[in-house]
Amino acid sequence: AQSVTQPDIHITVSEGASLELRCNYSYGATPYLFWYVQSPGQGLQLLLKYFSGDTLVQGIKGFEAEFKRSQSSFNLRKPSVHWSDAAEYFCAVGDGMGNQGGKLIFGQGTELSVKP
Amino acid sequence: DGGITQSPKYLFRKEGQNVTLSCEQNLNHDAMYWYRQDPGQGLRLIYYSQIVNDFQKGDIAEGYSVSREKKESFPLTVTSAQKNPTAFYLCASQRLAGVNEQFFGPGTRLTVL
Repeated sequence: AQSVTQPDIHITVSEGASLELRCNYSYGATPYLFWYVQSPGQGLQLLLKYFSGDTLVQGIKGFEAEFKRSQSSFNLRKPSVHWSDAAEYFCAVGDGMGNQGGKLIFGQGTELSVKP
Repeated sequence: DGGITQSPKYLFRKEGQNVTLSCEQNLNHDAMYWYRQDPGQGLRLIYYSQIVNDFQKGDIAEGYSVSREKKESFPLTVTSAQKNPTAFYLCASQRLAGVNEQFFGPGTRLTVL
C-alpha cells in the first residue's frame, strides 16, 4: 500500500537559516509527489510537484525539492527561511491512474516554527 | 477568480444533529474530495467523486454522507452516527485529464457542543 512518512513532527529554525523537511514514500511504481503548505486555520496551498523529468523541482516562495528514487525520498528545502514560512507542511503521493483516479496519500505533516 | 469556496467557516452543532457542509468550485474540475483533519493526524479522506452522480468512500466514511448532483458542488453531511465529529474539514477539487494536483478550499471548523 502507498504511504508517506514525514519523520519530523515539529522543526524550529532561526530566521535566515536553511531548511530541509524530510519526506519518504512507499510506492511500487513511479510516484507523483507534492508538497503543500498550510497556515493555521486555512486550506492547503501547493508549493511544488514532481511528475517526471528533472529530479530537482522548483516551487513557489523560494522552495525546492529533490526526488531521489534510490532513497524513496522527496525532501523539501529552502536556503533562507523567513518568519512568514512558519506553517505546517504536508508531503503527498499519488498515482493519478486507474480507479484510484487522482487520490493522494498525505503524510502526517511537519510543523515549522521560525525563531527571530 | 476561480477557486473553491467552503461555507460556513465555523459551525457549531449539538450532539444528535445532522449538519451539512458546503463546497463549491468554479474551476470546472471533474473530481472533488472531502478530508478530515485532526491535530497530529494529517488529512484523512472521507469521500470523493470523479463524476456527477457518482462517489466513493474514502478511508473514514462512516457517519458521513455526500451527494454530487452538480459538477461544481459536493456537499458533505455529518450525521449523528459520527461519534467524534469535531474537526477541521477540507474540500478539494482536481482536474482528472492527465496528472494534476488537488486545489483546496479554506476549510470549515466543526465543533460539537
